[in-house]
Amino acid sequence: ETGVTQSPTHLIKTRGQQVTLRCSSQSGHNTVSWYQQALGQGPQFIFQYYREEENGRGNFPPRFSGLQFPNYSSELNVNALELDDSALYLCASSLLGQGAENTIYFGEGSWLTVV
Amino acid sequence: AQKITQTQPGMFVQEKEAVTLDCTYDTSDPSYGLFWYKQPSSGEMIFLIYQGSYDQQNATEGRYSLNFQKARKSANLVISASQLGDSAMYFCAMREGLTTDSWGKFQFGAGTQVVVTP
Repeated sequence: ETGVTQSPTHLIKTRGQQVTLRCSSQSGHNTVSWYQQALGQGPQFIFQYYREEENGRGNFPPRFSGLQFPNYSSELNVNALELDDSALYLCASSLLGQGAENTIYFGEGSWLTVV
Repeated sequence: AQKITQTQPGMFVQEKEAVTLDCTYDTSDPSYGLFWYKQPSSGEMIFLIYQGSYDQQNATEGRYSLNFQKARKSANLVISASQLGDSAMYFCAMREGLTTDSWGKFQFGAGTQVVVTP
């Protein structure tokens, strides 16, 4: 148990639709990052939020956006869904600055299928 | 360019035997961290072990140890006394730097599927 929870666990959307995925960070953690994991691949970094602001982004288009709330919950929004967006979306939280050995703690992910 | 390379897509290992999972990395940042995660079929990424670039000794956590060879840029995971519950996908990951914008930015390899047989 990492204390990071995600919802929904599974969902199916149609191409062109929009989706919102939610994450509740471990208590006290001030940083949340989101990852996309396509089938058979390693996770790919989408972006990171620290103190409610995006402060790092991977190679993902602007239709991937997010929010972090004061209670350290967060959202990942994806607009204009494409078939290639079908993947496991992982949320990870951590306490920035605690120490180099401090890892990020993942939730169980949200499985998104775009048809 | 791929920053983390895991060359073994899959491995079979017998129960109670040891297994070594290979990982090589590429970075020019002198400060970095290397992490191994286990991912069962449920999807959750489970943290196993960490090695810092300035650490002089190899990291160990229970049955997990990390064979860190800095000059060769390799960070192989050794699982001793394998158990049936060790069957999962294993990922090597790297965090470059310790700035605020790099903190949650991990780069992962493609993973190695481990199957432990009785």
